[in-house]
Amino acid sequence: KAGVTQTPRYLIKTRGQQVTLSCSPISGHRSVSWYQQTPGQGLQFLFEYFSETQRNKGNFPGRFSGRQFSNSRSEMNVSTLELGDSALYLCASSLGTSGVGTQYFGPGTRLLVL
Amino acid sequence: AQKITQTQPGMFVQEKEAVTLDCTYDTSDPSYGLFWYKQPSSGEMIFLIYQGSYDQQNATEGRYSLNFQKARKSANLVISASQLGDSAMYFCAMRKAGTASKLTFGTGTRLQVTL
Repeated sequence: KAGVTQTPRYLIKTRGQQVTLSCSPISGHRSVSWYQQTPGQGLQFLFEYFSETQRNKGNFPGRFSGRQFSNSRSEMNVSTLELGDSALYLCASSLGTSGVGTQYFGPGTRLLVL
Repeated sequence: AQKITQTQPGMFVQEKEAVTLDCTYDTSDPSYGLFWYKQPSSGEMIFLIYQGSYDQQNATEGRYSLNFQKARKSANLVISASQLGDSAMYFCAMRKAGTASKLTFGTGTRLQVTL
């Protein structure tokens, strides 16, 4: 099975712009979660989508949004970029059913905001 | 709320030796899972091993084993026969059982394997 894929891998934007990141989960996985990783804050949960619905949300401002499509692929959007949004954005997929499922991560998208 | 504590910011180990990375956790949920991930400099988080809170035996996956002490709320990762390729950041994480997939991560331990 192919793993989780994320595009693009690297991105450079300027303050005020918006950005869209994409994540394709492992085949058969219906849950996609997004995390932000920065040196200062570590790994923080952004949100989770399951069957095209946001099921869980972290403590991030409304500038961070996401969606999931019927094929389970997910996109994350950040509007009005700030310097502090520079980070590694990781996407993880899992089956999403009850119990404690393992999340498998993609390679991440490195976003640099200038 | 859940919390993961990794008290070792960095560790050194010689090749072929075993090393233990510490992880303690705090949760009031009765059913939960504990995970270890490896993050090389490339950035990808690689799943290593999983332990369920009701599992009676410690989890093992090849050279990785998890020393689970529920009463002490610890879930230490043991890497046997270290290899140079094991040099990376290691994160302990947990999530409660159920449909919410949120993982709570520790701050990580940077492991350096030396010759």
